[in-house]
Amino acid sequence: AQRVTQPEKLLSVFKGAPVELKCNYSYSGSPELFWYVQYSRQRLQLLLRHISRESIKGFTADLNKGETSFHLKKPFAQEEDSAMYYCALGRRGGGNKLTFGTGTQLKVEL
Amino acid sequence: KAGVTQTPRYLIKTRGQQVTLSCSPISGHRSVSWYQQTPGQGLQFLFEYFSETQRNKGNFPGRFSGRQFSNSRSEMNVSTLELGDSALYLCASSADHSSTDTQYFGPGTRLTVL
Repeated sequence: AQRVTQPEKLLSVFKGAPVELKCNYSYSGSPELFWYVQYSRQRLQLLLRHISRESIKGFTADLNKGETSFHLKKPFAQEEDSAMYYCALGRRGGGNKLTFGTGTQLKVEL
Repeated sequence: KAGVTQTPRYLIKTRGQQVTLSCSPISGHRSVSWYQQTPGQGLQFLFEYFSETQRNKGNFPGRFSGRQFSNSRSEMNVSTLELGDSALYLCASSADHSSTDTQYFGPGTRLTVL
């Protein structure tokens, strides 16, 4: 069975502080990992995926298969980063079925 | 390109009724997935349709069904509604049936069952 755990419901940081949103997954096959973000009054949208190894809006995430983690990091938080962040797990070759974590609300305070 | 559209945006039904929700994907996208979002269970996958065929299915009872038309538009139906079916139903479209595709989400249909 596939499972995604995001241990923090709410994460509050000050502007300019580093951010780390935790994500752990459980899956025995070949995982595809994603971070989706939902800004206030906007649709859920893809932030980044592990296979791209890219930095989007200053965020990065590294897949650690040994620790089964895919934590999202940003060195300096900005006010506009305040949003709901979801970690999602797919199955390589398994189409578009995603298992989502429960989400972490990031609040960046001035 | 226009984004994913869902109709209706809000719906109120009573227990025992049935409901049909509609999703129009981004032009050229051939895969449509449906998700249920509730405060208690979060986002849960319902099913995925690609080329008019169901390709993936989540752990929902048979009361939940869907279909996809030749123009890739999709509908989902819930029969014999229960109070617990109250939720935000999201659909997402992607270009292909690939695990690495970006899924583009619609605004959702808010279903309230009384």
